[in-house]
Amino acid sequence: AQTVTQSQPEMSVQEAETVTLSCTYDTSESNYYLFWYKQPPSRQMILVIRQEAYKQQNATENRFSVNFQKAAKSFSLKISDSQLGDTAMYFCAFMRGNPGNQFYFGTGTSLTVIP
Amino acid sequence: DTGVSQDPRHKITKRGQNVTFRCDPISEHNRLYWYRQTLGQGPEFLTYFQNEAQLEKSRLLSDRFSAERPKGSFSTLEIQRTEQGDSAMYLCASTPGRAKNIQYFGAGTRLSVL
Repeated sequence: AQTVTQSQPEMSVQEAETVTLSCTYDTSESNYYLFWYKQPPSRQMILVIRQEAYKQQNATENRFSVNFQKAAKSFSLKISDSQLGDTAMYFCAFMRGNPGNQFYFGTGTSLTVIP
Repeated sequence: DTGVSQDPRHKITKRGQNVTFRCDPISEHNRLYWYRQTLGQGPEFLTYFQNEAQLEKSRLLSDRFSAERPKGSFSTLEIQRTEQGDSAMYLCASTPGRAKNIQYFGAGTRLSVL
């Protein structure tokens, strides 16, 4: 079974500052993908960033980057230059390569960006 | 709007009643997923379809739950004899066949069972 753990239920950051959200996972799979999804108060989940497990290079999307430590099964999200619109729930998710491709989500981290 | 659409957005029902939710995926997305999200938790996988075939069901999907995707386009999730424990947000997601590892989510249907 796959498990995803987010140990920070709530976090806050000053606008324009940098914040890191933690995520660890447990799996015996060798082929998998990792994701961070954002869920604003409107509740629609939006993909922030994804990482293929076979890639050693950390994924980056504008102000968002990850620190993927495969041996440690760690997948943290760094948000640089935080903006008010970053306020949301952030979910770390694991997906097996096959079959099914369903997500296994962590319990989420509520991030508040303070003006 | 070409995103994943879910209807209704909110549903209030009395215990014991049946409810049905609808999900319209992004056009031409051949995989469709249903998740359930309770307060303070991440979404939990319920079931998924590839085209019209239901390929996997979670143990969370009791006999009171049934999902269909008759023509490989929209899907319905029905809950029979609702219980208070069914109160949750029900999320639908779809995936294009060429990029199976990206799921696009709808806004969800919030169910409240009184």
